[in-house]
Amino acid sequence: NAGVTQTPKFRVLKTGQSMTLLCAQDMNHEYMYWYRQDPGMGLRLIHYSVGEGTTAKGEVPDGYNVSRLKKQNFLLGLESAAPSQTSVYFCASSASGQIYGYTFGSGTRLTVV
Amino acid sequence: EDQVTQSPEALRLQEGESSSLNCSYTVSGLRGLFWYRQDPGKGPEFLFTLYSAGEEKEKERLKATLTKKESFLHITAPKPEDSATYLCAAHGSSNTGKLIFGQGTTLQVKP
Repeated sequence: NAGVTQTPKFRVLKTGQSMTLLCAQDMNHEYMYWYRQDPGMGLRLIHYSVGEGTTAKGEVPDGYNVSRLKKQNFLLGLESAAPSQTSVYFCASSASGQIYGYTFGSGTRLTVV
Repeated sequence: EDQVTQSPEALRLQEGESSSLNCSYTVSGLRGLFWYRQDPGKGPEFLFTLYSAGEEKEKERLKATLTKKESFLHITAPKPEDSATYLCAAHGSSNTGKLIFGQGTTLQVKP
């Protein structure tokens, strides 16, 4: 029972490089989210999706893009990485709305140098 | 603006010393208040959902309560394995499922 799987777990990028973080869930959840977690800032929503083919901006979307071509996958892209994007990124999914809470992945630790 | 604030930021307890963590929220149309536990290097793990003022839920040494302005996570006779960061999150009136998280309380329980 995998739940929510994030790849990669760790990555170091140089400023200006691009990369894609992959989130996959096997629970047939409609809703998926990308958060970043920084010391003292808590979890902040980057982008989210309420269904296949849909995406929307969260609290801190600048510098990121997302795609949800398949229901089970939610991709987070950084087109031109900046040191300010050094963070731990978490993907989460949920069934209809929040009544059942999120299931989180184990996170991706990204360092931009 | 919807907001969730947790206190204290950090808490050190001796094993067996009971205490409470606070989560204050200002959220329009609260639909649910969530508590998560996060261990170092891992994703948050769901603990409880509370839906209305006066509701309480328990799990082992943890009990969560909810009022119209706050939620408390009571830890009774904690053990070292209860050491973790505890996150509180609120779901407001939107239908998008978005949660607003507090900054968390890091609990350390010493033997």
